[in-house]
Amino acid sequence: GENVGLHLPTLSVQEGDNSIINCAYSNSASDYFIWYKQESGKGPQFIIDIRSNMDKRQGQRVTVLLNKTVKHLSLQIAATQPGDSAVYFCAEKSRASKIIFGSGTRLSIRP
Amino acid sequence: DGGITQSPKYLFRKEGQNVTLSCEQNLNHDAMYWYRQDPGQGLRLIYYSQIVNDFQKGDIAEGYSVSREKKESFPLTVTSAQKNPTAFYLCASSLPHRGLDSPLHFGNGTRLTVT
Repeated sequence: GENVGLHLPTLSVQEGDNSIINCAYSNSASDYFIWYKQESGKGPQFIIDIRSNMDKRQGQRVTVLLNKTVKHLSLQIAATQPGDSAVYFCAEKSRASKIIFGSGTRLSIRP
Repeated sequence: DGGITQSPKYLFRKEGQNVTLSCEQNLNHDAMYWYRQDPGQGLRLIYYSQIVNDFQKGDIAEGYSVSREKKESFPLTVTSAQKNPTAFYLCASSLPHRGLDSPLHFGNGTRLTVT
């Protein structure tokens, strides 16, 4: 597969536990945030997004939390499964700029 | 199924040759993008196009060229002027909705190796 994410921070989680992946964003003017999942050899897959007028949004087994005060974004995955193993990217955007991607976190699941 | 198709998945070229990467989408999206991904780094924007027959340079456009003659297609040419062309190339598209931002949808990439 691809060697994407060769030197990325890694989060190791026991199967069935909850995972929390964190992201610090850089631009206080950013008002739109996205989480992507990238499996080896594939393109990033959209998971969930949130706009700055919200501080929490839930999807299927995932929750995104936004703390604009400290410019922090997190992705919570409930009951982590082997299929959740991937690299997770956050992305930020302001009206005046293009989307900026973080470098990613590798999520590893222990059986 | 609607989606973005990038071809080929793997591409090998000799140094000094130009090579064109294909990207086709049937999502009826107006905007299309090309990103480069290197190990341990975030995605870097090469070129983007908001509408047919128009495109803009991204952050690392040097050594690359694009065209947008059709809404569905946004090919990327990696020229011999690109100093470090070996990388994983990702094409994406998006449909801005009522002026609000919307997520990018990605293809599965082309791995280019230049020797």
